[in-house]
Parts: sequence; C-alpha cells; structure tokens
Amino acid sequence: GENVEQHPSTLSVQEGDSAVIKCTYSDSASNYFPWYKQELGKRPQLIIDIRSNVGEKKDQRIAVTLNKTAKHFSLHITETQPEDSAVYFCAASPNQAGTALIFGKGTTLSVSS
Amino acid sequence: DSGVTQTPKHLITATGQRVTLRCSPRSGDLSVYWYQQSLDQGLQFLIQYYNGEERAKGNILERFSAQQFPDLHSELNLSSLELGDSALYFCASGQGQRENIQYFGAGTRLSVL
Repeated sequence: GENVEQHPSTLSVQEGDSAVIKCTYSDSASNYFPWYKQELGKRPQLIIDIRSNVGEKKDQRIAVTLNKTAKHFSLHITETQPEDSAVYFCAASPNQAGTALIFGKGTTLSVSS
Repeated sequence: DSGVTQTPKHLITATGQRVTLRCSPRSGDLSVYWYQQSLDQGLQFLIQYYNGEERAKGNILERFSAQQFPDLHSELNLSSLELGDSALYFCASGQGQRENIQYFGAGTRLSVL
C-alpha cells in the first residue's frame, strides 16, 4: 500500500521568509496529492492540491510542485505570516472512485514576527 | 464551515464502554471516510463508505465498526474501549466518483478514562 513520508516535522521561520515542506510517496499509482492545514483544535482544511498531469500549481502565496519520476511533491509558502502557523499535512491517493487519502505525519510550522 | 457535521464534539467515557460517533456528509457527497488522529500517529484512515456500501478498510480495529445509512449519514461504533483509543476522530466526505477531494468535519474528541 501507499506510504507517505513528510519532512521536516517542525519548521520555524521569521515572518516574511519562505517555508518549504517536502513529501515522498511510494505507490506509483498515486496521482492526487492534496495539502491540508490544521490549526490547533480545528479540522484539517484543504489549502491546495495537485494532480499528476500537472507539475506545479499556485494559489497566491502557496504553491505545490510535483516530481512524479522521483515520487516527491513539495509545498512552498512565500512571504509567511504569523497566521500561517499551523500543522501542515500532505497526502496521496490514486484519484479513482474516491479512494482514501494516505497522510504524512505532519509538519508544525511556526512563523514568528 | 466545510458542510460536514460531526456529533458529539466531545465524548468522555470509561474503559470497556461502547460509543457511537455520527457524521453527516456535505449535500451531494456520497462517500464518507473516517480517520483517527492521535498525537503520535497523525491522521490514519479507518474506513470508507460509498452510497451505503463499505468501499475500503484501513487500519481499523475489529472492535470498531461503521455503517452508512440510506440518508448517507454514517456512524462509527467503538466498543470495548481502551485508554489507547483516546483520539480525535474525523469524518470526511467527498463526491466519491470522479474526484477525490475530501472535506473534513470538526471531529469528535474521545477521551477514555
């Protein structure tokens, strides 16, 4: 089955800096890769996703890149703000018939002002 | 608000007891997914239902079971509870067909004392 590894487990940056979180997956059949943000005590919220026919996707200050050959994908947050502080989870799944997501263990991002 | 409703928000019970967690998916979504989030294990997929039928099983214990009713709401039953079952239990819903985007409910925090 699919296995997703996520690094780093914690990340501290200064406000305005960029943050990068990386994930690798094991199942070459996986072709859907979402990223979720979870604030303390709240639900995971989908912030961006990418499918395997796309190499990069941007939404304002966040972007995701995918390298299918190397089986890794990354989340990039530019111009970080204190409200970006949260736990970020990557996930992978085969995008067929609504299969379950396999999550990485999460990255705790702290943005200090 | 994701449109996914989970009740109750908090549940405190004793070892050996049985509890039921409830989830109502977003309007139009046919798939319901249950995930367990504990401190050291991240988000673990438990089980998926699609239009009333079990579709996939993850790391779900035999003491746990679930079902999806004709109105598409789902219940997760946890029995013979142990201290280690204390966790956040999330339900997510999705279309379950062509897309795999999943939206999470606010979760049920289970404390087994």
